[in-house]
Amino acid sequence: DTAVSQTPKYLVTQMGNDKSIKCEQNLGHDTMYWYKQDSKKFLKIMFSYNNKELIINETVPNRFSPKSPDKAHLNLHINSLELGDSAVYFCASSQAPGLENEQFFGPGTRLTVL
Amino acid sequence: AQSVAQPEDQVNVAEGNPLTVKCTYSVSGNPYLFWYVQYPNRGLQFLLKYITGDNLVKGSYGFEAEFNKSQTSFHLKKPSALVSDSALYFCAVRQWSTSGTYKYIFGTGTRLKVLA
Repeated sequence: DTAVSQTPKYLVTQMGNDKSIKCEQNLGHDTMYWYKQDSKKFLKIMFSYNNKELIINETVPNRFSPKSPDKAHLNLHINSLELGDSAVYFCASSQAPGLENEQFFGPGTRLTVL
Repeated sequence: AQSVAQPEDQVNVAEGNPLTVKCTYSVSGNPYLFWYVQYPNRGLQFLLKYITGDNLVKGSYGFEAEFNKSQTSFHLKKPSALVSDSALYFCAVRQWSTSGTYKYIFGTGTRLKVLA
């Protein structure tokens, strides 16, 4: 059984479009995250939710809006896509936000903006 | 500011030889340090962590890491490398976020290539 799943795996779209990436975890974890990995493999946190509440919001453009309908799901909606949004986006989860426990990562969504 | 550094972009090692992937950190207070591995087209997988206790931490797939407070290092090691260990390795440190909770700061990653 997949622990952290993301859909879609690949997303190719035009500049200016709006797109969503979905994430689900079946680990019973309270905390979920979105990360962005750029073409040089640098990995940076974007958002974190704990029990459906936003707890980390890094300096991410307002075009990015996370939504957590329940603690097993954390979706990422992106408005007015730009070329620079092209990256691999990873969802992750952990038992608690304190990071005493490790994070479990999804397989990633490769977003290409043309 | 708290940070981690991985000074080597790539490490090459022959199969069967010991391997070391380096990580140094800069934190205030006690560090929480982690190693993750990323195989091609996959998400990151947890290998091991240092929170407190023994300086030598054992993790998954035969990996271990040594916490050295005086040298502010947390190098990843394995006594005998396998070709299947070839991957991208990330060191991470826990940092207090301005949002009022903890987050990871990741190093830039080290690509390990094990040659048959």
